[in-house]
Amino acid sequence: EPEVTQTPSHQVTQMGQEVILRCVPISNHLYFYWYRQILGQKVEFLVSFYNNEISEKSEIFDDQFSVERPDGSNFTLKIRSTKLEDSAMYFCASSEVPGQGRPEAFFGQGTRLTVV
Amino acid sequence: DAKTTQPPSMDCAEGRAANLPCNHSTISGNEYVYWYRQIHSQGPQYIIHGLKNNETNEMASLIITEDRKSSTLILPHATLRDTAVYYCIVSLSGSARQLTFGSGTQLTVLP
Repeated sequence: EPEVTQTPSHQVTQMGQEVILRCVPISNHLYFYWYRQILGQKVEFLVSFYNNEISEKSEIFDDQFSVERPDGSNFTLKIRSTKLEDSAMYFCASSEVPGQGRPEAFFGQGTRLTVV
Repeated sequence: DAKTTQPPSMDCAEGRAANLPCNHSTISGNEYVYWYRQIHSQGPQYIIHGLKNNETNEMASLIITEDRKSSTLILPHATLRDTAVYYCIVSLSGSARQLTFGSGTQLTVLP
């Protein structure tokens, strides 16, 4: 079965540094998402991306975050100046275009980001 | 999106059916019921979804009450690998709506 892949599986970074989390969505999917889960807390939506632009974003997705689809296969989340509270598991997901195909989102296995 | 209410935890014996309830009394007519699960901090995994009819796939069955105010996810023969947090989510299908995960139900399958 096709799957969403994320790299790296674990990233440790110093506070204030920039990090880029990478994702390869399922090849025929056109909608992409980032979610995060702080340890012991709920899975939270960050952003959705379609047709090379942000479709929706949550209040968490502030100016320090950005997303990009730099080529035909990768989808990235950049955190410009990491803070301790950015430590979390970050999940990438993809789906077919809602209303035009299967609606369910497929999630990757996540990148555990630790800010020290 | 409508709010959902699930019990925080449930146990089930291996090989028996696991019945996970969900209340969504404020669901609107065009909102679907989705079920996902998360096995030990892995990425959430889609299980099944439905609008008003009962649904079945290779993983589970979904029973939605006639008034659509509640639903039950049924795992017909639970295995130890089904131990996970199960999330019931109400969401529009066909729109760019994000999934709103609650606290879910921690299902523990006992040997």
